[in-house]
Amino acid sequence: DAGVIQSPRHEVTEMGQEVTLRCKPISGHDYLFWYRQTMMRGLELLIYFNNNVPIDDSGMPEDRFSAKMPNASFSTLKIQPSEPRDSAVYFCASSLAAGTVSNQPQHFGDGTRLSIL
Amino acid sequence: AQSVTQPDIHITVSEGASLELRCNYSYGATPYLFWYVQSPGQGLQLLLKYFSGDTLVQGIKGFEAEFKRSQSSFNLRKPSVHWSDAAEYFCAVGARGQNFVFGPGTRLSVLP
Repeated sequence: DAGVIQSPRHEVTEMGQEVTLRCKPISGHDYLFWYRQTMMRGLELLIYFNNNVPIDDSGMPEDRFSAKMPNASFSTLKIQPSEPRDSAVYFCASSLAAGTVSNQPQHFGDGTRLSIL
Repeated sequence: AQSVTQPDIHITVSEGASLELRCNYSYGATPYLFWYVQSPGQGLQLLLKYFSGDTLVQGIKGFEAEFKRSQSSFNLRKPSVHWSDAAEYFCAVGARGQNFVFGPGTRLSVLP
């Protein structure tokens, strides 16, 4: 079975540019999560969706960040305009809907390594 | 809100030696507990999970973890470490109605 698929794997761009990260969750998974990982802060949950609806976006750092899930098989995380401090590895994860969001293991993609110059 | 601590930032063991990675959580009720492993350049992979029942849980790659309610701990163990186990290990806590919280991670180095 295909796991969570993220693209691109690496992105290098200049500050001020728009960045779009993409994620395809595992088929049949109803929850989708976006995380950011940095050395300083570790893993941070940015936002998660249930059945394509954003449930909790309290982790989104600023209005420059936005996430969408137009359908069950695709989500985007957009940063506009990007800044050097946004440099990090961004992970997408998905999980099943059975039970609560907190008792189902999350399956992670390989991440997008973002560098803002 | 729940929280997770992993007291050891970096651990180095020799190949073949036993391993124990510590995880302590803070939560009033019984939490849902997980261990993940992250190899360089990769995403996180689930090693094992605890929801209820037997407090000693077996995972993949020969790992096990024991839930100790009295110590609020969920330490990860492996009797004999392989060089391929070198990675970053994350403990995570879930609680009903609340999001996952990941610990800061423990980096494991394995000496030949």
